[in-house]
Amino acid sequence: DSGVTQTPKHLITATGQRVTLRCSPRSGDLSVYWYQQSLDQGLQFLIQYYNGEERAKGNILERFSAQQFPDLHSELNLSSLELGDSALYFCASSLDLTNSPLHFGNGTRLTVT
Amino acid sequence: AQSVTQLGSHVSVSEGALVLLRCNYSSSVPPYLFWYVQYPNQGLQLLLKYTSAATLVKGINGFEAEFKKSETSFHLTKPSAHMSDAAEYFCAVSEGQNTGFQKLVFGTGTRLLVSP
Repeated sequence: DSGVTQTPKHLITATGQRVTLRCSPRSGDLSVYWYQQSLDQGLQFLIQYYNGEERAKGNILERFSAQQFPDLHSELNLSSLELGDSALYFCASSLDLTNSPLHFGNGTRLTVT
Repeated sequence: AQSVTQLGSHVSVSEGALVLLRCNYSSSVPPYLFWYVQYPNQGLQLLLKYTSAATLVKGINGFEAEFKKSETSFHLTKPSAHMSDAAEYFCAVSEGQNTGFQKLVFGTGTRLLVSP
């Protein structure tokens, strides 16, 4: 158990809809990361937050947004969903900004129909 | 930009045989390199990491990796495979550690199959 909790485990929704994925980091970790894993793109970095502030962005679509709250949990919002957004979305957390290893949650599997 | 290449999407070994999973990196700065393992329906678990200290890095579950700058490689090995090692393995390089963020760039993964 990595200590990173993601909810829900599975999500099935229709094209055009909006969903919110939730992540609770390990106790004491200040950084939260979101990654997308799909068959065609592999594991792709989406975004990193540190102590509530956005620190780095990857190939995150404009339809996607994230935030980290004062209690350090994070949410990833996906809107105007397309079939191609179907993927596993992982949250990870680490103690600090740059040097400590990432600990991954078990992911949320999103299926867009 | 940093990148990693994993040779072989699938590697099959017999139980007790040597495991060798290949990873080559491309980096304009001294790299931070990682190996992660993913079991079915689970997240990624850190096996080991290289951060410019010793070139031979020991990880969990008997795995180790050797950083070879001249070959730009960071291959993962285990002397004797166990059935429980069957999983997908990802090599990754970190970007941003000198500029205030951490972004892992992952390879495409190698699925390790272990037969009895």
